[in-house]
Amino acid sequence: GENVEQHPSTLSVQEGDSAVIKCTYSDSASNYFPWYKQELGKRPQLIIDIRSNVGEKKDQRIAVTLNKTAKHFSLHITETQPEDSAVYFCAPRGGSNYKLTFGKGTLLTVNP
Amino acid sequence: DAGVIQSPRHEVTEMGQEVTLRCKPISGHNSLFWYRQTMMRGLELLIYFNNNVPIDDSGMPEDRFSAKMPNASFSTLKIQPSEPRDSAVYFCASTLKGPRDGYTFGSGTRLTVV
Repeated sequence: GENVEQHPSTLSVQEGDSAVIKCTYSDSASNYFPWYKQELGKRPQLIIDIRSNVGEKKDQRIAVTLNKTAKHFSLHITETQPEDSAVYFCAPRGGSNYKLTFGKGTLLTVNP
Repeated sequence: DAGVIQSPRHEVTEMGQEVTLRCKPISGHNSLFWYRQTMMRGLELLIYFNNNVPIDDSGMPEDRFSAKMPNASFSTLKIQPSEPRDSAVYFCASTLKGPRDGYTFGSGTRLTVV
């Protein structure tokens, strides 16, 4: 199965700074790379995703970059705000099914 | 669209009792997933269905766990007998095979077995 690792496990930044979370995966056939945000006590919600034929995708303050050769993709959040505080999960999908394998999560804290 | 609907939101039960969790996926979605979330193990996939057929149940912890999807609009996850280590948040998610393959999660069921 897919092995997924996220780094760092915790990240604390000042409001207005940028945050970067990296996800490495093992299945070279993986073709879909989403990031989920989970606020305390809430459900995980999809915030951005990218497919294997694209190297970068941006949506306002968030972006995802993909390096298929190195088998990693990253979440970038610029101009962070306190409401960005949450746990972020990467969840690459293997090439042969619809299963998403979730990383262990990164707790992002944005300090006012 | 009401989203993925799970019930109950909270369940407290005594060890040894049977527990049934319920999920209604988004209408038209053809894949349904049951996940368990704990602090120690994170989000674990228990089982997933495609067009109501179980495709992969390798994540089901043991025979005490069973899941069914009798039709496209309903699924259940049953634990019998329940144990304290089953305490977790259980999420159901659904998706539609297509250009946008992200999951939509339900609000989850917080299960406490005492």
